Amino acid sequence: SQQGEEDPQALSIQEGENATMNCSYKTSINNLQWYRQNSGRGLVHLILIRSNEREKHSGRLRVTLDTSKKSSSLLITASRAADTASYFCATDANSGAGSYQLTFGKGTKLSVIP
Amino acid sequence: DTGVSQNPRHKITKRGQNVTFRCDPISEHNRLYWYRQTLGQGPEFLTYFQNEAQLEKSRLLSDRFSAERPKGSFSTLEIQRTEQGDSAMYLCASSLSLGVPFFGQGTRLTVV
Repeated sequence: SQQGEEDPQALSIQEGENATMNCSYKTSINNLQWYRQNSGRGLVHLILIRSNEREKHSGRLRVTLDTSKKSSSLLITASRAADTASYFCATDANSGAGSYQLTFGKGTKLSVIP
Repeated sequence: DTGVSQNPRHKITKRGQNVTFRCDPISEHNRLYWYRQTLGQGPEFLTYFQNEAQLEKSRLLSDRFSAERPKGSFSTLEIQRTEQGDSAMYLCASSLSLGVPFFGQGTRLTVV
């Protein structure tokens, strides 16, 4: 079953604008990860945020985590056409031993128009 | 090493046939995972190996599915008596014990 729910399901923006995607989950987690998937391809890991962290940055990406609301957001600043892809959040509920079983949401399909 | 490699990339098979997919992980990675992704959905966990030991299996992995990792390196996923509902992208990933998984490009299975 899918734990995470991304919102919105689809997002279309102009190049240069910021894109914000949200993820909600149901159970307690060890960490939350965001992945990107180009159409018909594999997933690329973007960023991991641990349950005791509230915000993390990586280049043009900013991720926040609110464990009290069981939600996370991914912000992509100054979007580019090459950012067009589906974005998934994935939660890891396993303590200690690392992420051996990730639970993914349904994803947000981002289209960046040149 | 160019990452996780999966073969074939695409497979079309008739219902009832058996299919086998192969995954070659990143060489020093001791963990290997299989996920399945249907159209419009996120990946769903199928199974996981620590070296050659299969330590976790999802209930999604019916009796028709079997995965092996005989020498703790490459892995195979076999589906027997395929059904149309098996049509999906099958994703393999590998990682170090405490590392994030790196995914391959997937094998897209179409059962006709």
